[in-house]
Amino acid sequence: DGGITQSPKYLFRKEGQNVTLSCEQNLNHDAMYWYRQDPGQGLRLIYYSQIVNDFQKGDIAEGYSVSREKKESFPLTVTSAQKNPTAFYLCASRAPGAHTEAFFGQGTRLTVV
Amino acid sequence: AQKITQTQPGMFVQEKEAVTLDCTYDTSDQSYGLFWYKQPSSGEMIFLIYQGSYDEQNATEGRYSLNFQKARKSANLVISASQLGDSAMYFCAMREGRERSFQKLVFGTGTRLLVSP
Repeated sequence: DGGITQSPKYLFRKEGQNVTLSCEQNLNHDAMYWYRQDPGQGLRLIYYSQIVNDFQKGDIAEGYSVSREKKESFPLTVTSAQKNPTAFYLCASRAPGAHTEAFFGQGTRLTVV
Repeated sequence: AQKITQTQPGMFVQEKEAVTLDCTYDTSDQSYGLFWYKQPSSGEMIFLIYQGSYDEQNATEGRYSLNFQKARKSANLVISASQLGDSAMYFCAMREGRERSFQKLVFGTGTRLLVSP
């Protein structure tokens, strides 16, 4: 079955540590996105990528980094520079075309302890 | 500036009634797309309906329809015959950017819909 897989579902991190969230898709989509969702709030765009080896900062990129070495993979690293990293993180991918919707993974809930 | 505005933090509706969830947007692009997603308590994002900026007719998908008023920059979601399973967060989103350039997908803050028996 085609889809997007995010792992792990729950992640605990000690303050000051970097952590990488995985996002893999087998939908052959070019565009991939990372969003952050805080309780009771909408999705805020962290980074997005239209093609391999290229990506753009979203609205809240500070304290995060990404890579896009393969079309299928778009990992997000939450660095120690991110002041408030506890949140729900959603990865999405989208096929080319004006009418295509984004498909989302199940999300990773990151808690800093 | 907020690109997508959803002014209703929460909405209540009785089962079998219709409900409208508001969404206004801000863009200077001529070509853009508007999406609605549903997020149940499980956290997954479920695509509901799409409206393109050049579409002349309002989009419909089963019980979902989109009241698109381009001049007012609004794209309200109408859910007819509400069901208990419709209780969830609803997000309006906009795709910006031309086809061959980087396309951003930005979301509003959402509306929590509660359907009562």
